Amino acid sequence: KNEVEQSPQNLTAQEGEFITINCSYSVGISALHWLQQHPGGGIVSLFMLSSGKKKHGRLIATINIQEKHSSLHITASHPRDSAVYICAVREYGGSQGNLIFGKGTKLSVKP
Amino acid sequence: KAGVTQTPRYLIKTRGQQVTLSCSPISGHRSVSWYQQTPGQGLQFLFEYFSETQRNKGNFPGRFSGRQFSNSRSEMNVSTLELGDSALYLCASSASRDRGSSSYEQYFGPGTRLTVT
Repeated sequence: KNEVEQSPQNLTAQEGEFITINCSYSVGISALHWLQQHPGGGIVSLFMLSSGKKKHGRLIATINIQEKHSSLHITASHPRDSAVYICAVREYGGSQGNLIFGKGTKLSVKP
Repeated sequence: KAGVTQTPRYLIKTRGQQVTLSCSPISGHRSVSWYQQTPGQGLQFLFEYFSETQRNKGNFPGRFSGRQFSNSRSEMNVSTLELGDSALYLCASSASRDRGSSSYEQYFGPGTRLTVT
């Protein structure tokens, strides 16, 4: 069983729709990252969470430490949001870069 | 501030050869981590360096090694290349100062795409 599970694996949405991507993990963590990867490979860190909720523009990330679950929400989705979204966790006591990654959610937003 | 840079961006090697990839972190960042991304396994942690010392290593064979220089630039080396080593190799830097510090964001480079034939 993977330590970090994401759902769905693939997601197709119409422009303007509200999108939710889920991440569940089975280990104790000190931080959770949401990453965005566009075709071509570049990865951008969207959020780093250890509790609660963060918002940046149309993106919102939440985490429930007790339930070991995090969600990434995109409001008013746009074709430029099309990318792979990856959840990664830093295991409690682990070093900074020692991240465990989910398999990613491929999002396609149609105009 | 310039971002994380990786060289080369693309590389084609033959089985049995060795390869060295380079990563220059964001100025002031002392922690550099390396990751391998393949279609089958996804992203996997290779190793992490801080102040020229390897802090942690992922579950990869000894053919994979790395080092960090006093200016925080890092290199990773893969010896005796196998077809399965074909992957996107990403490095990331962070401002982490020590193991006990709060989590810092990881800033990723564009990656080096290695093809082994």
